[in-house]
Amino acid sequence: AQTVTQSQPEMSVQEAETVTLSCTYDTSENNYYLFWYKQPPSRQMILVIRQEAYKQQNATENRFSVNFQKAAKSFSLKISDSQLGDTAMYFCAFTLPTSGTYKYIFGTGTRLKVLA
Amino acid sequence: GAGVSQSPSNKVTEKGKDVELRCDPISGHTALYWYRQSLGQGLEFLIYFQGNSAPDKSGLPSDRFSAERTGGSVSTLTIQRTQQEDSAVYLCASSYTHRDGYTFGSGTRLTVV
Repeated sequence: AQTVTQSQPEMSVQEAETVTLSCTYDTSENNYYLFWYKQPPSRQMILVIRQEAYKQQNATENRFSVNFQKAAKSFSLKISDSQLGDTAMYFCAFTLPTSGTYKYIFGTGTRLKVLA
Repeated sequence: GAGVSQSPSNKVTEKGKDVELRCDPISGHTALYWYRQSLGQGLEFLIYFQGNSAPDKSGLPSDRFSAERTGGSVSTLTIQRTQQEDSAVYLCASSYTHRDGYTFGSGTRLTVV
């Protein structure tokens, strides 16, 4: 069975600093998709960044980037120049194209607080 | 619509009552998902719709839970004889292609008292 583990329940970072959230997953498949979602207090889950496993290049979206280590089954999220609006829960998610349903397996989340 | 719309935003119900939660996905999104998020937990998959059919209902926790989707659009999640352990945020998501990721609604917070 596929699993996703986020080992940091809570983290904090000073405004303008850089923070890295960790995520590991377990699968025997070779082709899959990975995502990071942000959930602010409004409850709206917002897609931050996605990575396709067959692409070796790490995905980046403005201040957000990932460190995708396929052999280690690791998919960490780096937030640069942290802003107060980055305060939220962050969830790592995984899906298999071969599943037929593309349902996501989510980690338990990391609560990030950006301090002024 | 511009986004995934869920209603009601919050629902308080008495134990034993039935509740209906509604999801209106983005127009043209054929895939629709329901997830449950309990306090301090990650998201738990409930059911997947492709069009009007539900090829994967494996996450529904008991026969008190059911869902339907009509016209390839609006979906309703029904919980019969609610129990206190049903208290959670119920999130709906839709997608057009799996590669692009889901678009989520803001969820319905269900509280069973």
